[in-house]
Amino acid sequence: QSVVTQPPSVSAAPGQRVTISCSGSNSNIGNNYVAWYQQLPGTAPKLLIYENNKRPSGIPDRFSGSKSGTSATLGITGLHTGDEADYYCGTWDDSLRAGIFGGGTKLAVL
Amino acid sequence: QVQLQESGPGLVKPSGTLSLSCAVSGGSMNNWWTWVRQPPGKGLEWIAEISHSETINYNPSLKSRVTISVDKSKSQFSLELTSVTAADTAVYYCAKEVNAGPLLYMDVWGKGTTVTVSS
Repeated sequence: QSVVTQPPSVSAAPGQRVTISCSGSNSNIGNNYVAWYQQLPGTAPKLLIYENNKRPSGIPDRFSGSKSGTSATLGITGLHTGDEADYYCGTWDDSLRAGIFGGGTKLAVL
Repeated sequence: QVQLQESGPGLVKPSGTLSLSCAVSGGSMNNWWTWVRQPPGKGLEWIAEISHSETINYNPSLKSRVTISVDKSKSQFSLELTSVTAADTAVYYCAKEVNAGPLLYMDVWGKGTTVTVSS
């Protein structure tokens, strides 16, 4: 059981927008920055968003991140089938003194 | 650009010790380094991190069985997990970490290595 919670799955049509939530507490998201990772089938995770809303070089601006209080959100616009993947939020937990990940959300582009 | 490559046995016997290494190329060892694992069909689990000055943090749920170390002369860092069971079967990833106060993220990942615990 993860200390930060994500919906197990989300879906949307091609071209549409989807959001994925990540809900935690004051000991993790509330007091630390959030990162988001994309894991395409059979591959290693890839950094999508760091420091709540910053994109590494090469990540298109279709991907965005935000944080409010103890929750964070990943937004993806202009969906295409290549976006079908598992998405994970990650942060530091002050109480555990450890890194943590959300349970992951599987995105289907129908 | 930093590149990472995991290595180690793909099969470990129950109650044995899992030992993995991560070779670092293309960049400085003066960073934070981490191990993350993913059991089959499940999510990511953060295992441990180590800085270039050997500051270490462990996942509390694994702390009694895990050791992370770094060898800057060989440009590699390593993971040992003792008393393994089938529950430790997973893909193990090494990653470069950015760790600065409230900021934590993994910006470079290895391809991962599959470790199966079985007799």
